[in-house]
Amino acid sequence: GAVVSQHPSWVICKSGTSVKIECRSLDFQATTMFWYRQFPKQSLMLMATSNEGSKATYEQGVEKDKFLINHASLTLSTLTVTSAHPEDSSFYICSARRLAGRRETQYFGPGTRLLVL
Amino acid sequence: AQKVTQAQTEISVVEKEDVTLDCVYETRDTTYYLFWYKQPPSGELVFLIRRNSFDEQNEISGRYSWNFQKSTSSFNFTITASQVVDSAVYFCALSVTPMDSSYKLIFGSGTRLLVRP
Repeated sequence: GAVVSQHPSWVICKSGTSVKIECRSLDFQATTMFWYRQFPKQSLMLMATSNEGSKATYEQGVEKDKFLINHASLTLSTLTVTSAHPEDSSFYICSARRLAGRRETQYFGPGTRLLVL
Repeated sequence: AQKVTQAQTEISVVEKEDVTLDCVYETRDTTYYLFWYKQPPSGELVFLIRRNSFDEQNEISGRYSWNFQKSTSSFNFTITASQVVDSAVYFCALSVTPMDSSYKLIFGSGTRLLVRP
């Protein structure tokens, strides 16, 4: 089946540093990838939609200058948390949209746990 | 606006009991997709099912079954003869056919299922 990977799986960093998270679709091309954030015991909240070759579309309330998204190829999207602060500590999950004929499904990566000290 | 409601925050059952997780959705679109995902303690989302709005047939997959009722805007999920390994958070999600091709998933708040031995 379709596989989406994320790297790193967890990261601990000091406040003020930037952290880059990679999302890769391993066996299919994804023109669209999505980035979600999940706080403990809460649901997934969509942060942005990443389209290959164009600018990401951010959800209301998400700072695009803080959460930089780059979708440089059909199999890779990156999320960079710039100048991270403790409140950015969360579980970040990406998904990749796969089209097979008329069927569309999103496959999720394993997530990246970010802890900002 | 689209919305997904999972009214059950937590459910606790004893192994081998049947359990139904409720999902109610709201959308004005006539074409939409409904999903169920499982999130075990590891955090990785596991795709369980995708159903489009034109297919009201109920589906059974092993111990899992889904009941889609457009008349009540519900897409309930039943686990028969529950097992400890079923313990996880289960999310219901909605995706509509968008004008901007974003195919965003809107998640419910999740239901935490605990199956006790």
